Order: sequence, then C-alpha cells, then structure tokens
Amino acid sequence: AQSVTQLDSQVPVFEEAPVELRCNYSSSVSVYLFWYVQYPNQGLQLLLKYLSGSTLVKGINGFEAEFNKSQTSFHLRKPSVHISDTAEYFCAVSDPMDSSYKLIFGSGTRLLVRP
Amino acid sequence: GAGVSQSPSNKVTEKGKDVELRCDPISGHTALYWYRQSLGQGLEFLIYFQGNSAPDKSGLPSDRFSAERTGGSVSTLTIQRTQQEDSAVYLCASSSLAGSTQYFGPGTRLTVL
Repeated sequence: AQSVTQLDSQVPVFEEAPVELRCNYSSSVSVYLFWYVQYPNQGLQLLLKYLSGSTLVKGINGFEAEFNKSQTSFHLRKPSVHISDTAEYFCAVSDPMDSSYKLIFGSGTRLLVRP
Repeated sequence: GAGVSQSPSNKVTEKGKDVELRCDPISGHTALYWYRQSLGQGLEFLIYFQGNSAPDKSGLPSDRFSAERTGGSVSTLTIQRTQQEDSAVYLCASSSLAGSTQYFGPGTRLTVL
C-alpha cells in the first residue's frame, strides 16, 4: 500500500524567505502526487498536482514542486513566503491503478511565517 | 459556483448516541469521498462513491460506520453508538469523475463526550 512521509511537523520561517516542505512517498510503478493547503478551520485546497509530464509543477500562490522518481520525493517550494502562507500543508498520493483514486495523505507540515 | 457543503459544521454528542453527517457535493460531480481528520490518525480515507457503482468501503474503521448516497448527489455518513475515539473532523470531497481534482468541503467537527 502507498504511504506518504512528511518528515517536518513544523517549519518556522521569516517572511520573504524561501521555504521547502519535504514529502517522500513509498515507491510504486506510477503515482499521482498532490499538495493541499489547509487554513485554520477550513477545508483542504489544492495547491498543485503531478499526474505526468514535466517534473516541475507550478501551482497557485507562487508554489511549485518537483517530482523526483529516483528519490521518490515531491518537495514543495516557494521562493518568498508571506504571512498569509501560514497554514498546514499536506502531501498526498493516489494510485492510478486504484479505480477510486482515493488520496493517501502525509501527516502534514505546519508552516509558520514570522514577520 | 457553489462548492462542497457539509452540515452541521459542529456536532457534540454523547457516547453511545448515533449521529448523521451530511455532504452536498458540487453539482454534477459523480465521485464523492469521505475522509476523517483526527489528531491520532491524521487524514484518512473512509469511503468512496462513483455514480451507481458499489461504493468502496475499504476505509471504514468499524461496522458502526456506514454511508449512503441518494440519487447520486447528497451523501450521509452515519456513525452508530459513537465512541470518544470517533471525535474528529469529517471531510467530504467531490470530483467531476474519479481521477480528477477532489474539492473538499469545510468539514464537520464531531465531538463525542
């Protein structure tokens, strides 16, 4: 079964600094990969997704992620963060061979942006 | 357009009582998912509906949990004889078809006393 590891439970960073949130998944022949953001007391919002094609994926709010098959990673990056980026970020994977395409989530990383 | 809506937003119940949680997916979306978000288990899949096909119930944690989807639209998640470990936020998501982007509702926070 697929699994997702987000090693960092919390990442503090100063405003306008770059940030990388790490995500590793268990190996598989093929996977779909996602990053979701959850603001306090809200549902999940899709930031970006990788299905196939270019390994560098650009999403909303200036975020991007790179799919690295050899390292089974899908790290999320932003070159300059804002206070408003403070939220919980979830990496998720789904198996294209699973007809439900259900999402398997990592444990989440709380991004705390300080002024 | 309207997103996924869930009701109630908060539910407090006593141990042993039954609860029903409702999800209204985005109009026209054929796929519907329930997930649970809890401190101990993180975000976990519960059940999936696609059109008139048999649901994928592989994530339901016990037989106290059940769900139905009427008319291919609204879904209700029922938890019977609630236990304290059922306390969590229950999230519903829908997608236009399986494999496309899942859009999440705001969730129902369930507290079992």
